[in-house]
Amino acid sequence: GENVEQHPSTLSVQEGDSAVIKCTYSDSASNYFPWYKQELGKRPQLIIDIRSNVGEKKDQRIAVTLNKTAKHFSLHITETQPEDSAVYFCFKGEKLTFGTGTRLTIIP
Amino acid sequence: NAGVTQTPKFQVLKTGQSMTLQCAQDMNHEYMSWYRQDPGMGLRLIHYSVGAGITDQGEVPNGYNVSRSTTEDFPLRLLSAAPSQTSVYFCASSYSITGLAWGEQFFGPGTRLTVL
Repeated sequence: GENVEQHPSTLSVQEGDSAVIKCTYSDSASNYFPWYKQELGKRPQLIIDIRSNVGEKKDQRIAVTLNKTAKHFSLHITETQPEDSAVYFCFKGEKLTFGTGTRLTIIP
Repeated sequence: NAGVTQTPKFQVLKTGQSMTLQCAQDMNHEYMSWYRQDPGMGLRLIHYSVGAGITDQGEVPNGYNVSRSTTEDFPLRLLSAAPSQTSVYFCASSYSITGLAWGEQFFGPGTRLTVL
């Protein structure tokens, strides 16, 4: 499948601080960039997505930014809360490839 | 709508046994896929389908078969279970969007499989 690199693999932040997770891809034929959240023991669920014709999209405390030239897109979570603790995955649709995941822990 | 359903929720098999994991969706989605998730790992694509009668292999297809006779159902068959197939299996469905490969994926609750 396509090479999708996700960093970091683990991230711990103080409650209220911001978290940033980045995915880098190799295939240029991409126009849809979603992020999924998976809570412990649960199924993955879409939290935000962006299409290639925009550079940034926000939904309350969550945002996704896209840099098509550099081939990376990032998830930004501001004012983090305990319920943000989960594993986050980026996804590339053309080859149905998920990133390796980032385990985010919010420290109260 | 029930969304994406999977049965069973849990299954224990002995090495060499065969079984079918069931997946159904009631959202009239064209696309369906199967993933496996090993402990502490990401999701790896096993097989996928872009419509009834059309299936293709993903990253880790060995030891698994699929068929898609209807839009709603996409069963995954384990031919001869091996301990390496111990994992959580997720089925997902998705709609197609003009100009995009796949839209949002909707996941089932998963099947936790243990092969002894």
